[in-house]
Amino acid sequence: NAGVTQTPKFRVLKTGQSMTLLCAQDMNHEYMYWYRQDPGMGLRLIHYSVGEGTTAKGEVPDGYNVSRLKKQNFLLGLESAAPSQTSVYFCASSPPGRATNEKLFFGSGTQLSVL
Amino acid sequence: GESVGLHLPTLSVQEGDNSIINCAYSNSASDYFIWYKQESGKGPQFIIDIRSNMDKRQGQRVTVLLNKTVKHLSLQIAATQPGDSAVYFCAENFYSGGYQKVTFGTGTKLQVIP
Repeated sequence: NAGVTQTPKFRVLKTGQSMTLLCAQDMNHEYMYWYRQDPGMGLRLIHYSVGEGTTAKGEVPDGYNVSRLKKQNFLLGLESAAPSQTSVYFCASSPPGRATNEKLFFGSGTQLSVL
Repeated sequence: GESVGLHLPTLSVQEGDNSIINCAYSNSASDYFIWYKQESGKGPQFIIDIRSNMDKRQGQRVTVLLNKTVKHLSLQIAATQPGDSAVYFCAENFYSGGYQKVTFGTGTKLQVIP
């Protein structure tokens, strides 16, 4: 059981370049999330998905897009990278609802630097 | 305890001593709370959770205390070990629009002195 897998682990972009971060989970979880982590600011939610084919904005969605074409995958896209998007990005998943354990399962993160 | 800002609070404890990490949460409607541990270069990992109808929950070497009156959460680690060195986050969960919302604290760094 791999859990939540993120690729790539590291990436350096120039301002204006685009890229896609990939997240895959093998736990059959309904909910998936993308967070960014910046020093002293905790984890902030970018976008999330409550099921295949659905996505929603989180706390800091500007400059990012997401897609959930398959239940096990959640993609985060940067169309035109900016230095302010330099951060560590974490994908997470969880089963839905009050009746199940709502704890989040995190990937190991992607360190992104935008020059 | 945790706070908003650029500085990550640090708690230094001697190996074998007990550690207490504090967290103030913001939303009185939050009904589920989790502590996560994040080791350097890794993603956060679940440690222990507690629902709002409880005020204490114990795990293996860890205890979470919840005081809803003052919106305060604490994590107690017994007999702290070097492997406990990490950043610890609290998270509050509440339901809005039919979906689970999670808000994380900024974290406390625990340093264990051998």
